[in-house]
Amino acid sequence: DAGVIQSPRHEVTEMGQEVTLRCKPISGHDYLFWYRQTMMRGLELLIYFNNNVPIDDSGMPEDRFSAKMPNASFSTLKIQPSEPRDSAVYFCASSPGGQENYEQYFGPGTRLTVT
Amino acid sequence: RKEVEQDPGPFNVPEGATVAFNCTYSNSASQSFFWYRQDCRKEPKLLMSVYSSGNEDGRFTAQLNRASQYISLLIRDSKLSDSATYLCVVIHNTDKLIFGTGTRLQVFP
Repeated sequence: DAGVIQSPRHEVTEMGQEVTLRCKPISGHDYLFWYRQTMMRGLELLIYFNNNVPIDDSGMPEDRFSAKMPNASFSTLKIQPSEPRDSAVYFCASSPGGQENYEQYFGPGTRLTVT
Repeated sequence: RKEVEQDPGPFNVPEGATVAFNCTYSNSASQSFFWYRQDCRKEPKLLMSVYSSGNEDGRFTAQLNRASQYISLLIRDSKLSDSATYLCVVIHNTDKLIFGTGTRLQVFP
């Protein structure tokens, strides 16, 4: 298995632009998580899905952020409009569920810079 | 106060040294505990689980103290390849992992 795939790996955009981050989880995993990591705040959970259904989006910073999971093999995180404070590394992770749900498999991340 | 707190370090130790990290958590209802490792500019990966009875994996030993609400990670005979950030992780009664901000370890020759 190729693991969790994220695209793009790097994104540089100007303030006000729309940004879309993409994730393909590991096949067969029931859970998908979106995280944001910064030096100041560490790794923060933004939202997670179980069987394509959003379960907890309490970590989504504000209405500018939205996430979708239209099917079991694809998810997007969208920021519109983007702001410089959104600059961070965004990780997608998936896990199989059940008793082994604590082991999350992370993608390589998308490094976002908003100027 | 953060739910999971760690000393950010960095811990700079020579090869062969023994080093220990602690992590405290605030929610007494926390059920499961883990250490993840994150190399520089890479994604986090599960290192090991933490059990009340202690858990040893080669040079790594993890301990849990529920009464004091802290978790520890001990690394013996440090290697250069151990240089990384170590993230303490706690689970309550949901599927959410709560990550600490990490402790950075730098092992030098």
